[in-house]
Amino acid sequence: TQLLKQSPQFLSIQEGENLTVYCNSSSVFSSLQWYRQEPGEGPVLLVTVVTGGEVKKLKRLTFQFGDARKDSSLHITAAQPGDTGLYLCAVDQTGANNLFFGTGTRLTVIP
Amino acid sequence: KAGVTQTPRYLIKTRGQQVTLSCSPISGHRSVSWYQQTPGQGLQFLFEYFSETQRNKGNFPGRFSGRQFSNSRSEMNVSTLELGDSALYLCASSFQGADTEAFFGQGTRLTVV
Repeated sequence: TQLLKQSPQFLSIQEGENLTVYCNSSSVFSSLQWYRQEPGEGPVLLVTVVTGGEVKKLKRLTFQFGDARKDSSLHITAAQPGDTGLYLCAVDQTGANNLFFGTGTRLTVIP
Repeated sequence: KAGVTQTPRYLIKTRGQQVTLSCSPISGHRSVSWYQQTPGQGLQFLFEYFSETQRNKGNFPGRFSGRQFSNSRSEMNVSTLELGDSALYLCASSFQGADTEAFFGQGTRLTVV
């Protein structure tokens, strides 16, 4: 059984600070996705990383896929209250719309 | 373009009852998946339907079932409700499933009392 362990589980920071959250596994993945879920909403796809060592930037968010394609990180620069939410990594298990989600990191950015 | 619509948004049921939840995917999307989200277990895959056929199934008991109609709308049913079935049930649609982005609805919050 594969496991996507995210750390930290909870993170509370002040506006303007930087942070990194991690998604780790012992399995190798062909691709990995990051989602953000806000209260009362479904998850929204932020990015998909495919190549080992790949780095993708989305405004203040930087995503990295590990060289061995077993882990990934999400770095947020100068966090804002609007970044508050549950961050989830996920892998597509069978090539279909069948996602296996990580344990999640709940981020709170305090104004 | 309308997003994924789930109805109802909130539901309260009694133990032992059954419940049916509905999901209308984005127009043109043929793949619909269902997920259960709880504080303890996180977000877990229930099943996926594509062109009216169940294509994948997660590790849930047979009390959880679903179906998809010819217009791609999907329903999921939970019979003999247990307190532990209290959760946010999310539906996601995608164009064809494989290698295409999944769009989630807002979910149905089910409370079993």
